[in-house]
Amino acid sequence: DQQVKQNSPSLSVQEGRISILNCDYTNSMFDYFLWYKKYPAEGPTFLISISSIKDKNEDGRFTVFLNKSAKHLSLHIVPSQPGDSAVYFCAATPANTGKLIFGQGTTLQVKP
Amino acid sequence: GAGVSQSPSNKVTEKGKDVELRCDPISGHTALYWYRQSLGQGLEFLIYFQGNSAPDKSGLPSDRFSAERTGGSVSTLTIQRTQQEDSAVYLCASSLAPGVRETQYFGPGTRLLVL
Repeated sequence: DQQVKQNSPSLSVQEGRISILNCDYTNSMFDYFLWYKKYPAEGPTFLISISSIKDKNEDGRFTVFLNKSAKHLSLHIVPSQPGDSAVYFCAATPANTGKLIFGQGTTLQVKP
Repeated sequence: GAGVSQSPSNKVTEKGKDVELRCDPISGHTALYWYRQSLGQGLEFLIYFQGNSAPDKSGLPSDRFSAERTGGSVSTLTIQRTQQEDSAVYLCASSLAPGVRETQYFGPGTRLLVL
């Protein structure tokens, strides 16, 4: 029972263009959402988060959008840079718990 | 300061043997989490320690898995009678305090291969 789904296993974009990574969830109890970035042989690192009371959160080149009615969130990276090439994990968590429920990840490749 | 460290970085074992994986969280972090990532899968929650409260063990896949956290710091994840399906990267994370708004900082993981 995959509660958080990233249906695109990979994405390739040109440097300078926008990268859009998508994530869907099924559990309406989730109220906080996060994106993590992972390089090979390293642990994931926190990128950006959004509370369910918001529909957008922006941090520099990274913006996360939340559509609660569609149970969908997306991560926009603009402009994309080669150093952004990594695996991106979407995660969600229900209220009053710290445990994260992760999607399967999307491998982003940004070509110079 | 030092991040989350895990040891060993790699472990190869034979089916049926027991293994212990160690996690040293960031100093002062009261919450500690274990996850695992099987090949081609996302990260799967295993167990969560929050201060002195009883741990949330809801993600442990079977009773062969157990974890403890001694003195509120170092944690050990033990897998008894390992099976081939236990092969995965086991990741530990810690956060300053429990709760969803606290950023979890991950270690590099232990890559376990069960032959």
